[in-house]
Amino acid sequence: NAGVTQTPKFRVLKTGQSMTLLCAQDMNHEYMYWYRQDPGMGLRLIHYSVGEGTTAKGEVPDGYNVSRLKKQNFLLGLESAAPSQTSVYFCASSYSDRGDSDTQYFGPGTRLTVL
Amino acid sequence: GQSLEQPSEVTAVEGAIVQINCTYQTSGFYGLSWYQQHDGGAPTFLSYNALDGLEETGRFSSFLSRSDSYGYLLLQELQMKDSASYFCAVSWYSSASKIIFGSGTRLSIRP
Repeated sequence: NAGVTQTPKFRVLKTGQSMTLLCAQDMNHEYMYWYRQDPGMGLRLIHYSVGEGTTAKGEVPDGYNVSRLKKQNFLLGLESAAPSQTSVYFCASSYSDRGDSDTQYFGPGTRLTVL
Repeated sequence: GQSLEQPSEVTAVEGAIVQINCTYQTSGFYGLSWYQQHDGGAPTFLSYNALDGLEETGRFSSFLSRSDSYGYLLLQELQMKDSASYFCAVSWYSSASKIIFGSGTRLSIRP
């Protein structure tokens, strides 16, 4: 099993450009998440999904959109990138959000720089 | 609001024991998790506590006191490869959006 994979690994954008980050998991997990990690600030939840076709906002959703058309994929879109979105983005998945079944499995991350 | 506090940095000696504390302020608390992250890597799950007490997994143990809103991660027989950042994370009842991570503790091991 590949676990959680993310593409691309690195990307440099100019202000105003758009892009989509792809996350895929092969563990048949219901829950998927997108986080951003900035120095000294830990992980902050952007959006999450509790199943195919459903998404919801997390702690810092502004400037991002997501879609979960297939259970195994969770896409994060930046419509008009801003320098404040320079960060490392992690995707994660979990079987559920209850008890010890809510262990999250993280992808390797995408390092995004917006100039 | 809800918040987590953990020390930003801890230094320890190889072979020793170190404790990383995590205090939280919340309502509807469900469980406390710990994750490890090496530089440039992804967070990986270490342990989970839903009930008070100690959970042991090899060299790592995690403790929770719900009445004190406090938990800690205990690392024994420290090895150089344990140098990493450690995050506590709190989940609340029935809502993925209420998974909050602490800002992390950077553990440095010296010979």
